[in-house]
Amino acid sequence: EVQLVESGGGLVKPGGSLRLSCAVSGFIFSSYTINWVRQAPGKGLEWVSSISSGSSYIYYADSVKGRFTISRDNARNSLVLQMNSLRAEDTAVYFCARAFRGFDSWGQGTLVTVSS
Amino acid sequence: EIVLTQSPGTLSLSPGERATLSCRASQSVTNNYLAWYQQKPGQAPRLLIYGASSRATGIPDRFSGSGSGTDFTLTISRLEPEDFAVYYCQQYGSSPYIFGQGTKLEIK
Repeated sequence: EVQLVESGGGLVKPGGSLRLSCAVSGFIFSSYTINWVRQAPGKGLEWVSSISSGSSYIYYADSVKGRFTISRDNARNSLVLQMNSLRAEDTAVYFCARAFRGFDSWGQGTLVTVSS
Repeated sequence: EIVLTQSPGTLSLSPGERATLSCRASQSVTNNYLAWYQQKPGQAPRLLIYGASSRATGIPDRFSGSGSGTDFTLTISRLEPEDFAVYYCQQYGSSPYIFGQGTKLEIK
């Protein structure tokens, strides 16, 4: 069974940093592009970042470019989103999602709250 | 950057009725890489349709997608109680992989 499990969310002050992780199982992690998608409370889905299978292609939404860094360790089946200079508008549930014919598998999300 | 506009914002229908949801792109979607997702409260999105018209694994055949270029439609032929949710379209042909703002399908 394909599984993605996010962790690392929590409460952080504006300007602070947080590191999100996505642990995967049930598929060959190194073969797939993985994405981060977020959803602010009561709002729609916003794509955040993408990293290709071998880390050659990395993309970010303009809203996080220069502040967030996506990386992966294929040997450990793990994905990381390093979030720096956090703002109140970064408050959201963050999902990791596998890219295969769309985004076919999603984790349950981890909540990030940026507040003083 | 492609902008996806979904309509209507809210759709009120009864079980057994037919639902038609629209997604319009500001420019042509590369290779018609357009997906539809269903999301229920407190849950992650679920992929319904990819490539504009192909059903994802395990999706009932009452869900169908159509369209190409800039105009896409998700049709639910006969609504079941579990179909009332929010639906999003997304283009995944080129970065940024934009989502539409969503259509809420509610029980009339």
